[in-house]
Amino acid sequence: GENVEQHPSTLSVQEGDSAVIKCTYSDSASNYFPWYKQELGKRPQLIIDIRSNVGEKKDQRIAVTLNKTAKHFSLHITETQPEDSAVYFCAAAGSTNAGKSTFGDGTTLTVKP
Amino acid sequence: EPEVTQTPSHQVTQMGQEVILRCVPISNHLYFYWYRQILGQKVEFLVSFYNNEISEKSEIFDDQFSVERPDGSNFTLKIRSTKLEDSAMYFCASNVAGPNTGELFFGEGSRLTVL
Repeated sequence: GENVEQHPSTLSVQEGDSAVIKCTYSDSASNYFPWYKQELGKRPQLIIDIRSNVGEKKDQRIAVTLNKTAKHFSLHITETQPEDSAVYFCAAAGSTNAGKSTFGDGTTLTVKP
Repeated sequence: EPEVTQTPSHQVTQMGQEVILRCVPISNHLYFYWYRQILGQKVEFLVSFYNNEISEKSEIFDDQFSVERPDGSNFTLKIRSTKLEDSAMYFCASNVAGPNTGELFFGEGSRLTVL
């Protein structure tokens, strides 16, 4: 089945700096890669996603890049703000196990004011 | 904005007891899921459900677990005989047309504590 690895597990940045979180996946058939943000005690919520026919997608301060050959994708947050502090999960879906999304272990991002 | 709703928000039960967690997915969604998250850990897939049957399940989803869509709106997860290690946050999720077609909409979660 699909296996998603995520790094780093924790990331601390100063307000205004950039943050990058990286994920790798194992199943080349996966074709949909969402990123979810989970604030403490809350539900995961989608912040951005990318499909395998696209190499990069941007939404204001957030961008995601995908390298299908290397089977890795990354989340980039620019001009970080304290409210960006949360746990971020990457996921992969659309593999041979078509009924599920497989999540990474999560990255705890802390943005220090 | 429509959202997935879950009840109860928190349930405390004794080991060996049966628990039913309830979810109301977004009304036009066709795919339903249960995920669990042990405190401080990743979101783990349990089961997906489509067209009134399980489409996929993980190895966590053993014979102690079952899902049901008893009517046109509810989607339930039953744990037959709870164990201590079942203590976790259980998230219901739904989406329109499958896990690789777009966003999973998660409910607020049901926290299960097994004593």
